[in-house]
Amino acid sequence: KQEVTQIPAALSVPEGENLVLNCSFTDSAIYNLQWFRQDPGKGLTSLLLIQSSQREQTSGRLNASLDKSSGRSTLYIAASQPGDSATYLCAVPSGGSYIPTFGRGTSLIVHP
Amino acid sequence: DVKVTQSSRYLVKRTGEKVFLECVQDMDHENMFWYRQDPGLGLRLIYFSYDVKMKEKGDIPEGYSVSREKKERFSLILESASTNQTSMYLCASRPGTLGYTFGSGTRLTVV
Repeated sequence: KQEVTQIPAALSVPEGENLVLNCSFTDSAIYNLQWFRQDPGKGLTSLLLIQSSQREQTSGRLNASLDKSSGRSTLYIAASQPGDSATYLCAVPSGGSYIPTFGRGTSLIVHP
Repeated sequence: DVKVTQSSRYLVKRTGEKVFLECVQDMDHENMFWYRQDPGLGLRLIYFSYDVKMKEKGDIPEGYSVSREKKERFSLILESASTNQTSMYLCASRPGTLGYTFGSGTRLTVV
């Protein structure tokens, strides 16, 4: 069964720092990997979807990379801003059901 | 952009009531899902559906049922609400095996 781990669980940084959030998974036979953002009390907003054949995806200040062989994905946030404060989750579908396993998330606070 | 709409943001119900949570998506996605999210437990899959009138149990289906009479609508039913069903409920849809789109969530409190 797929296991997904996100490290660190929480992060507090000053504005302007470049950040790396990590997502590790145990079963490398994945279809894709999706990163989400969740604001307190809200639903999940999709940030980036990386197909298994891709190595990375970029959207604005966000860059997500995927290394299937090592079972890792990283989400890079450039020049962090207070508005980036949220919980970031990764989701990894594998196996025959295509149902993803979600990580527990990294709670990010960017202070001015 | 795909839109997934959950009918209520906040809901307060009494123990024993039958509760309906509604979810509608506007992009003809085959797959729809219901999750609940609790602190320390993460997202847990309750039920999902691959097509109209089709449903599959997720990890925690006990105490819940679902209905999908039309492709765009997936309803979660709490047959007899209990306090341990107080939670954030999240609906999602997905085309094929591509990425999820989530609704904004329903915070349900059972008193």
